[in-house]
Amino acid sequence: DTAVSQTPKYLVTQMGNDKSIKCEQNLGHDTMYWYKQDSKKFLKIMFSYNNKELIINETVPNRFSPKSPDKAHLNLHINSLELGDSAVYFCASSQDGVSGNTIYFGEGSWLTVV
Amino acid sequence: KNEVEQSPQNLTAQEGEFITINCSYSVGISALHWLQQHPGGGIVSLFMLSSGKKKHGRLIATINIQEKHSSLHITASHPRDSAVYICAVVEYGNKLVFGAGTILRVKS
Repeated sequence: DTAVSQTPKYLVTQMGNDKSIKCEQNLGHDTMYWYKQDSKKFLKIMFSYNNKELIINETVPNRFSPKSPDKAHLNLHINSLELGDSAVYFCASSQDGVSGNTIYFGEGSWLTVV
Repeated sequence: KNEVEQSPQNLTAQEGEFITINCSYSVGISALHWLQQHPGGGIVSLFMLSSGKKKHGRLIATINIQEKHSSLHITASHPRDSAVYICAVVEYGNKLVFGAGTILRVKS
């Protein structure tokens, strides 16, 4: 069983479309995250949720909207996709925050906007 | 200038060599993570530390909070250690800030 699973793994879509990436963790963790890895392989936090509540919201265009229906799921919806949104998006989870806890990452979702 | 600096950016080693990857940071932190990203893209947590030293198999991680510096050591390196090693610090506010990564290639 994969601890943190995200779907789809690969997504190719046209500019202007709306798409979602889903994430689920079966570790019983309270905190979930979305990270973006750009073309230079640099990782950056986008959002963090603790028990369904948004606790970190970095400077991300409001076309990106996270949704956490329960503490095991954190989905990322992206409206009006742009070329610059092409990246790898990683979902992750930890027991309670990143200080003092191991982080478990999903395998990544490769998004290509054409 | 990035808040988290790693060196070297690229490292090629012969199998069996002792490897050190360094991480320096400029902000106050509550913890530091070392991560490994394999060529396939998956990211695995190696260590989380807030003081001292941790060891797991052939990997050793150290941190000096006063000097704002951490090192990751690999003993008896092996081609399967080839990966990108990423240092990430936990800023107050529970936010992870990542270094740019060190690309390690171990040749047999």
